[in-house]
Amino acid sequence: DVKVTQSSRYLVKRTGEKVFLECVQDMDHENMFWYRQDPGLGLRLIYFSYDVKMKEKGDIPEGYSVSREKKERFSLILESASTNQTSMYLCASSQGFGYTFGSGTRLTVV
Amino acid sequence: GDSVTQMEGPVTLSEEAFLTINCTYTATGYPSLFWYVQYPGEGLQLLLKATKADDKGSNKGFEATYRKETTSFHLEKGSVQVSDSAVYFCALSAAPYGQNFVFGPGTRLSVLP
Repeated sequence: DVKVTQSSRYLVKRTGEKVFLECVQDMDHENMFWYRQDPGLGLRLIYFSYDVKMKEKGDIPEGYSVSREKKERFSLILESASTNQTSMYLCASSQGFGYTFGSGTRLTVV
Repeated sequence: GDSVTQMEGPVTLSEEAFLTINCTYTATGYPSLFWYVQYPGEGLQLLLKATKADDKGSNKGFEATYRKETTSFHLEKGSVQVSDSAVYFCALSAAPYGQNFVFGPGTRLSVLP
């Protein structure tokens, strides 16, 4: 069964910490995405990548960066976590039509 | 730009009731259309899809038909179960390789026993 795996389901970090959210897919997909999901705001695209070492800004990239050193891994980095980055983070991959999502990481910044 | 509109939730139904969740879209070209479902505490799962006009997607008793003339993709199920309680997202992809989805805001469904 194909999978997108996010390394943590729940994470609690302190304000100002550097936070890494990891996502790995085993489907050899070229496209990978990071979204955040907030009540009343739906899913918002943070960054996406079409290939290794390639990245594009989504709708809300401020305060985030990404890394894609290998095709299967797409990392989201919060350089200096802030309380307004408390959210559910969803990783997805695609090749052709349709996304496969990970289970999500619920991040709380205190 | 492209957009997806869904009916406002939450929707509360009794078990075995008929479900309709409305979805309409605005897009240039000919997008593919999707319904995703998110169960509590989980990520999104693809429920069904349709890639061209008049296609019907179906899965787990849910159905949706791609209506180009009304730019709609309404989700239906004849008899809902408590286990169908979840948030349902309508989405489109107008890009050639499925990237850059546009999601609707989601509709929360609660099914009562």
